[in-house]
Amino acid sequence: EAGVTQSPTHLIKTRGQQATLRCSPISGHTSVYWYQQALGLGLQFLLWYDEGEERNRGNFPPRFSGRQFPNYSSELNVNALELEDSALYLCASSFQRYNEQFFGPGTRLTVL
Amino acid sequence: KNEVEQSPQNLTAQEGEFITINCSYSVGISALHWLQQHPGGGIVSLFMLSSGKKKHGRLIATINIQEKHSSLHITASHPRDSAVYICAVSNGGGADGLTFGKGTHLIIQP
Repeated sequence: EAGVTQSPTHLIKTRGQQATLRCSPISGHTSVYWYQQALGLGLQFLLWYDEGEERNRGNFPPRFSGRQFPNYSSELNVNALELEDSALYLCASSFQRYNEQFFGPGTRLTVL
Repeated sequence: KNEVEQSPQNLTAQEGEFITINCSYSVGISALHWLQQHPGGGIVSLFMLSSGKKKHGRLIATINIQEKHSSLHITASHPRDSAVYICAVSNGGGADGLTFGKGTHLIIQP
């Protein structure tokens, strides 16, 4: 069974640009979570999608947004990139809500 | 004060030693998760538990809901166990993103 996949692996952008990160959950999983791991800040919850709807978001500005598609894959968009957005972005999926989460390999975003 | 506190922050031990990593939390939770992160970033879910004890191979996780405390034990530790171990909690009730501890950096020396 294929695990959670994320693309791209690495992404380099300049300040002010937009970044789009993609996540495909494990087949049959309907919940997708996005997390940010910035250097020195640890892992922080960004967004949670379940059944196509945004269910909850962490303490991040509105320029962090996303969506979940009918096939349950998800996209994270970061607008007006700032230097401090440089981080590893991890996606996780679970079978319905409130279940064990399985993580993808992450997308490393570098903002220059 | 962080909602999830882990100790120790760093731990170096010899191969074969019994390892204990502790996690305390200050909020109501629906479940507690133990995660393992290797260099390069990949995260593996080790356990999700809401009561009692779970065992998988050489790994054992326990939780005491009344005391808001959990422990992760590694028996017969091996250099391949070297990684960052992260405790995280989910609150449930419609707010199901995980809240993470800062992690314990474990090094097992041969």
